[in-house]
This record gives sequence, structure tokens and C-alpha cells, in this order.
Amino acid sequence: QVQLVQSGAEVKKPGASVRVSCKASGYTFTSYDVHWVRQASGQGPEWMGWMNPNSGNTAYAQKFQARITMTGNTSITTAYMELSSLRSEDTAVYYCARSYNWNYPDWGQGTLVTVSS
Amino acid sequence: DVQMTQSPSSLSASVGDRVTITCRASQTVSRFLNWYQQKPGKAPNLLIYAASSLQSGVPSRFSGSGSGTDFTLTISSLQPEDFATYYCQQSFRAPTFGGGTKVEIK
Repeated sequence: QVQLVQSGAEVKKPGASVRVSCKASGYTFTSYDVHWVRQASGQGPEWMGWMNPNSGNTAYAQKFQARITMTGNTSITTAYMELSSLRSEDTAVYYCARSYNWNYPDWGQGTLVTVSS
Repeated sequence: DVQMTQSPSSLSASVGDRVTITCRASQTVSRFLNWYQQKPGKAPNLLIYAASSLQSGVPSRFSGSGSGTDFTLTISSLQPEDFATYYCQQSFRAPTFGGGTKVEIK
């Protein structure tokens, strides 16, 4: 069965960077795009961007364009999302998701990122 | 960005009730509209894709309809495990989600 297992919770200071990993198993990693979605407490999900593990191509939401990087390592079937210049508004649960025609049938368990001084 | 507006933001219902949730897009998204269920502390779970297609493993009491800018998620007979928050998501342009509808026990 498809599994996406994310790295653990992080606490960061404003201005720092965070990298979240997403280990994929149960499917051919290079055949599906990986998207990243975040969700602040009590809010709806917010799409951040996607990465194609086969080509390395990426596309980011305009809001994050200047400070986000998505990468992948096909040898260990793991996707990464790095967000820099963190501020308190970036406190949220970050999810990776396997994309199938731009809907998301499989999700990671989520990684809580807390930004606090 | 395509703005997605859900209504109501919350509702109270009883087991066995028929529940309808609506989602309106700020511009046409054709039928590129998906619905998710989310329970506290869990990731969203895909229920409906392409406006009306039932995701594998999802009970048939869930159904979706609509096209263009107006969409509906219907639960024909609410079950105890259906108390959750529901989100719509458009995939016609850069994905955006609605603000959610929380279904609570009356």
C-alpha cells in the first residue's frame, strides 16, 4: 500500500529555514508528482507547490516563490521541502501528498513546524 | 487565484440525516473539483474527484455534483463516523481549497 512518512516536528526561530522530508513507498516514486500543502490551525489547507521526482521539475505557488525549494532523491524515494526566512505566520502542519491528476489520494501524516522566538 | 467559498461553515445534524454542503468557485473550474474529509489530527482524505467520481473505498452515501462554478457534496444518510470537516479543492488552475464545513452532532 502507498505510504508517505514525513519527518518529525520542528521548532524554529524567525528568519531560520526548515526542511521537511517525505519518504515514499508502495508505488513507483518517479511516476507521480509530489505536492506540498500546509494547514494552519483552524484554517483550510493551502497549496505550496509540486515536484516531479523523475525530471526534478518544480512549480511553486507565487506566495512562496522566493523562499521555497522542493527536491527529491530517487535512490531513497524521498521528497524534500525547504522553506526559508521563516516567520510566525509559517507555523502550520506541512503535508506531502501523492498527486493523481491533481487530486490527492495519498498523504503523509503531517509535520508540525512551529516558528517562535 | 481561484477563490473557493464553502457554505455553511458549520452545521449540526443527526445520524441518518441527509446533509448537503456547497462550494462556489470565483471563476469556472469546469469539473476539476475534489472533496476531502478531515478528522482532527489527521490528513485530509479524498472522497470525490472530478466533481462526481467516488474515490475507491469511499462509501456510496457520499456523492458529488456540479460543474462550472457551483458544486455540491451530499451525504445521503449521515453516519457517526462522518462527523468531520469537509473541504473542496479546485484543480483547474493552481490548486486552492475552500475554508471548510464542520459537520457536528446535533
